[in-house]
Amino acid sequence: KQEVTQIPAALSVPEGENLVLNCSFTDSAIYNLQWFRQDPGKGLTSLLLIQSSQREQTSGRLNASLDKSSGRSTLYIAASQPGDSATYLCAVIAHGQNFVFGPGTRLSVLP
Amino acid sequence: ETGVTQTPRHLVMGMTNKKSLKCEQHLGHNAMYWYKQSAKKPLELMFVYSLEERVENNSVPSRFSPECPNSSHLFLHLHTLQPEDSALYLCASSQEGREGLNEQFFGPGTRLTVL
Repeated sequence: KQEVTQIPAALSVPEGENLVLNCSFTDSAIYNLQWFRQDPGKGLTSLLLIQSSQREQTSGRLNASLDKSSGRSTLYIAASQPGDSATYLCAVIAHGQNFVFGPGTRLSVLP
Repeated sequence: ETGVTQTPRHLVMGMTNKKSLKCEQHLGHNAMYWYKQSAKKPLELMFVYSLEERVENNSVPSRFSPECPNSSHLFLHLHTLQPEDSALYLCASSQEGREGLNEQFFGPGTRLTVL
């Protein structure tokens, strides 16, 4: 059974810092991994999707990497801003299965 | 705006009430999902509809009853709920069948409170 963990559970940084969020999964036979952002009480917003054949994806100040063999993905946020404050979730999907979500990392960027 | 809408956004109901949640997607996707998000717990998949057929229900209690009349609409019918069913209910859609994609798009959710 696929399990997804995220470290750290919560993170507080001053504005302008670069930061890394981690996602680990137990079954490396995935065919994609998706990073989401969730603001309090709201739905999930898709940030990046990495296909199993890819090593990384970039969107603006966000960069996500994938190492399938070690069961890890990282989300790198450059030059963090207060507006980046949210919960970040990763989810993986294997062929013939449904998405499995991690518990999320709650990020606070202080002005 | 993700192309997935949900109504109502907030719902308060008693344990004896019957209500329905509605989800609509405008993305032309062929799969729709219901998730439950409780405080301090990971997202839980409740139901999956692919090509309008239910493919998974993950042992959800029968007091939750899904309906998918077409590929754009998804309902979650609620009856005789318990206070522990209070949560954020999220709908999502995706395009299945193309390897390496199946990117999920979520609606804003319905905040349900059961008294």
